[in-house]
Amino acid sequence: AQSVTQPDIHITVSEGASLELRCNYSYGATPYLFWYVQSPGQGLQLLLKYFSGDTLVQGIKGFEAEFKRSQSSFNLRKPSVHWSDAAEYFCAVGAGGTSYGKLTFGQGTILTVHP
Amino acid sequence: GAVVSQHPSWVICKSGTSVKIECRSLDFQATTMFWYRQFPKQSLMLMATSNEGSKATYEQGVEKDKFLINHASLTLSTLTVTSAHPEDSSFYICSASLAQGSNQPQHFGDGTRLSIL
Repeated sequence: AQSVTQPDIHITVSEGASLELRCNYSYGATPYLFWYVQSPGQGLQLLLKYFSGDTLVQGIKGFEAEFKRSQSSFNLRKPSVHWSDAAEYFCAVGAGGTSYGKLTFGQGTILTVHP
Repeated sequence: GAVVSQHPSWVICKSGTSVKIECRSLDFQATTMFWYRQFPKQSLMLMATSNEGSKATYEQGVEKDKFLINHASLTLSTLTVTSAHPEDSSFYICSASLAQGSNQPQHFGDGTRLSIL
């Protein structure tokens, strides 16, 4: 079965600083990987996704993520963080086969942005 | 595009009552919808996969008789928490994909916060 680990429960950065949120996955086949963001009391918004091809994917709001098969990682990055980026971020892997469409989420990383 | 609407956004009710939560895909048809449960400060846990016109597929450990799922049309799935108790209090989120396939991103509703007194 697939699994996702987000090692950092909580990260604090200053506004304007760069950001990297870590994500490691475990999956037997080619993974379908996603990053979602959740504001308090709300649903999830898709930031970006990786299916195949270019391992560096661009998303909305200036985010990007790089798929590294050798490290089983899909880290999320942003060069300059804005105060509005404060939220919780979830990495997820999509299942295939008979479980297609099902997502397994990491534990989430809470991002705090200091002015 | 790809808007998923969830209703109600917040419900408070007495222990023993049943609560119905609706999940609608507003601008697309969703053959498959998913229901998740999220406890405070925790990740999302998949409860079940809702398939239009057929029975839902429940994850291990989720009580089928407790959490009734109906997917009567391509734009509507409902989750009914029957005889709700305080331990059922949680944040419930639904999602839907534009098309089938594990490479299709899911679009999420804004969630329903359920509080059982």
